[in-house]
Amino acid sequence: AQSVTQPDIHITVSEGASLELRCNYSYGATPYLFWYVQSPGQGLQLLLKYFSGDTLVQGIKGFEAEFKRSQSSFNLRKPSVHWSDAAEYFCAVGAGGTASKLTFGTGTRLQVTL
Amino acid sequence: NAGVTQTPKFRVLKTGQSMTLLCAQDMNHEYMYWYRQDPGMGLRLIHYSVGEGTTAKGEVPDGYNVSRLKKQNFLLGLESAAPSQTSVYFCASSTQPTGLETQYFGPGTRLLVL
Repeated sequence: AQSVTQPDIHITVSEGASLELRCNYSYGATPYLFWYVQSPGQGLQLLLKYFSGDTLVQGIKGFEAEFKRSQSSFNLRKPSVHWSDAAEYFCAVGAGGTASKLTFGTGTRLQVTL
Repeated sequence: NAGVTQTPKFRVLKTGQSMTLLCAQDMNHEYMYWYRQDPGMGLRLIHYSVGEGTTAKGEVPDGYNVSRLKKQNFLLGLESAAPSQTSVYFCASSTQPTGLETQYFGPGTRLLVL
């Protein structure tokens, strides 16, 4: 069975600083990987996804993620964080070779200080 | 184009009461899903549907029933609510799995069972 680990429950960064959120997955085949963001009181919004090809994936809001098969990781990065990026971030892996059944990590809450 | 909508937004139930959560999508998606979100546990799949008239169990189906009588609607029922079902419930939808589809989420329903 697939699984996702987000080791950091809570991260605080200063506005303008760079950000990296960690995600490690466990899956036997080529994974389908996603990052979602959840603002307070809102549903989940897709930031970016990886299915195949270029291992560096660009998403919305200036986010990017890099797939590293050797490390089973799919870390999310942003070069300069804005106060509006404060939210909870979820990494997910698609099950069974499709994206239809997602397994989510437990999330990382990002706090941005001014 | 409203995307995925959920009704109600918030509900308080007493133990043993029943209720139905409604999810509607206007994107003509084949697949629909119900998740629950609990602190420190990410999102867990309750039930899902691969098309009108079909349903299937997810990771945590006990205590819930679902129906997909119309393609655009996916209902989640609690026949006898328990405090352990206090959670935030999210509905999502997607196209048929091609390896490229994305799940689109509703804004959530917050349920408190006393």
